[in-house]
Amino acid sequence: KAGVTQTPRYLIKTRGQQVTLSCSPISGHRSVSWYQQTPGQGLQFLFEYFSETQRNKGNFPGRFSGRQFSNSRSEMNVSTLELGDSALYLCASRLAGQGGSGELFFGEGSRLTVL
Amino acid sequence: QKEVEQDPGPLSVPEGAIVSLNCTYSNSAFQYFMWYRQYSRKGPELLMYTYSSGNKEDGRFTAQVDKSSKYISLFIRDSQPSDSATYLCAMSAAGGTSYGKLTFGQGTILTVHP
Repeated sequence: KAGVTQTPRYLIKTRGQQVTLSCSPISGHRSVSWYQQTPGQGLQFLFEYFSETQRNKGNFPGRFSGRQFSNSRSEMNVSTLELGDSALYLCASRLAGQGGSGELFFGEGSRLTVL
Repeated sequence: QKEVEQDPGPLSVPEGAIVSLNCTYSNSAFQYFMWYRQYSRKGPELLMYTYSSGNKEDGRFTAQVDKSSKYISLFIRDSQPSDSATYLCAMSAAGGTSYGKLTFGQGTILTVHP
């Protein structure tokens, strides 16, 4: 059974640009979450999607956005990139749709460097 | 003060040692507790998942949750060099505000030397 797949794995952007990251969840998983991981702040929750609807959001500015498609695949977008957006962006999926985290399974991440 | 506190280490032990990793937390709403292992330049891998208080064992790994003390632990028996990684505790509340949201500790860097 394939795991969570994220593309691209590595990318370099310059300040002011925007970036779109893609995530394909484990087959049958309908919930997709996104996290940002940095050395200073650790893993921080960005948002969660279920059935194409954003159900939960972390404390990030509006430059960070996402969406989910009918096949459960998800994308996240960061506009007007800042140096501080350099991070590993992780996507995670889970089977259940009810409250509580359930067992969250992570992808390998997309490592973004902003110059 | 962070909601979840975890000693970042680093922790260095000889092969075969018993390793104890711990986290404390302040949010009494947390009911789901997890341990993840993350190798360098990889995504976190779920090791243990427990609900509420109690113990759970899986092979060489044992997870303990003490909600009265707001304290969770992960024990690794007969540690191997392949266990060298960063270990992250994570937890979540129940209910709608918890959808997909885990609160993580900072991670403990573990090195097991032969």
